[in-house]
Amino acid sequence: SQKIEQNSEALNIQEGKTATLTCNYTNYSPAYLQWYRQDPGRGPVFLLLIRENEKEKRKERLKVTFDTTLKQSLFHITASQPADSATYLCAQGDSYKLIFGSGTRLLVRP
Amino acid sequence: DTGVSQDPRHKITKRGQNVTFRCDPISEHNRLYWYRQTLGQGPEFLTYFQNEAQLEKSRLLSDRFSAERPKGSFSTLEIQRTEQGDSAMYLCASSLVAGDEQFFGPGTRLTVL
Repeated sequence: SQKIEQNSEALNIQEGKTATLTCNYTNYSPAYLQWYRQDPGRGPVFLLLIRENEKEKRKERLKVTFDTTLKQSLFHITASQPADSATYLCAQGDSYKLIFGSGTRLLVRP
Repeated sequence: DTGVSQDPRHKITKRGQNVTFRCDPISEHNRLYWYRQTLGQGPEFLTYFQNEAQLEKSRLLSDRFSAERPKGSFSTLEIQRTEQGDSAMYLCASSLVAGDEQFFGPGTRLTVL
């Protein structure tokens, strides 16, 4: 079955540093990956989408990569701020359905 | 448009009762999704509508769960004879195009006592 894995341990970094979150997928080659941010008690908010034929996508301080050989996506937040503290979810998709990882919690210390 | 809305935001019920949740998607979105999320986990796909047609229902959903989307607008998710294991956050999302970004509502948190 399709499976997507994210590091369950929280990532704790200093403000101003680059946060790097990892998403690995197995048993499937998704057509695209999406990254979402989720704050406690709220619904996920879309951040970035990257398709299988794209290597890298950027949006302001965010960057996502898609390595189909390693079956991995990396999500980077540069110049991190305490306001970036949240849980970040990776999701794989083929047509319409998203399969989410369990998320990685990011804590940015001032 | 203010985004996807869900009602109620919180629901506490006793085991064995029926509950119904409502989702109002972004008006021009003809695709609507329901997910369930438990603590420490990512959202888990439940069902998908394109307009009023329910095109997929997860095998994880028992017969106690039913969803509708009359006239392709709002959607309802009903759980009959609730069990404690149904306690979770129920999220609704909508999108304009399949495979595009999904816009999530704030969720309905269900607690079954």
